[in-house]
Amino acid sequence: IAGITQAPTSQILAAGRRMTLRCTQDMRHNAMYWYRQDLGLGLRLIHYSNTAGTTGKGEVPDGYSVSRANTDDFPLTLASAVPSQTSVYFCASSAFTGTGDGYTFGSGTRLTVV
Amino acid sequence: GNSVTQMEGPVTLSEEAFLTINCTYTATGYPSLFWYVQYPGEGLQLLLKATKADDKGSNKGFEATYRKETTSFHLEKGSVQVSDSAVYFCALSSKVNTDKLIFGTGTRLQVFP
Repeated sequence: IAGITQAPTSQILAAGRRMTLRCTQDMRHNAMYWYRQDLGLGLRLIHYSNTAGTTGKGEVPDGYSVSRANTDDFPLTLASAVPSQTSVYFCASSAFTGTGDGYTFGSGTRLTVV
Repeated sequence: GNSVTQMEGPVTLSEEAFLTINCTYTATGYPSLFWYVQYPGEGLQLLLKATKADDKGSNKGFEATYRKETTSFHLEKGSVQVSDSAVYFCALSSKVNTDKLIFGTGTRLQVFP
């Protein structure tokens, strides 16, 4: 079934540790995104990539980095986790047609930093 | 900049009641507008969309009309079911060199039998 796979589904992480959240899509979508979802704040864009080899900063990029070595994969790395990064993280993709066709979302990674 | 404002929740309704969830937006140009739904423990799913003024998006009994004059995209359903209980997000895409979506804060809907 075509879609987005995120891993892990949940993780408890000690503060200061490094963590990479994985995201893979099989739809050959050009654009990919990372959002965090926090109660009362909705979804906030962390980083995005319009096409393989390019990335950009979203609304809340500090403490996070991404790479886009190929079309399918878009990992999100927390270099040194802090408790304020406790959140649910969603990866998404779109065909980047420029017509706003909307996203396909993964099922999310629930991260708790202690 | 572009933004989306939606009504605070939770919205609590009895089964078969009429639903309205308000959404207004601020944007330059002519954005596309979306409603996404998130069921418990899941990611967001596209519910409906409208890409130009006066368009009506519809799906699963839900409807929303793109109103440029009032910059609104309110979600409606004539008769809700318990299975509609979820969080609903309004979003916009500016369509200018990007597909990036800007989301509202979400509105939780609780439907009781």
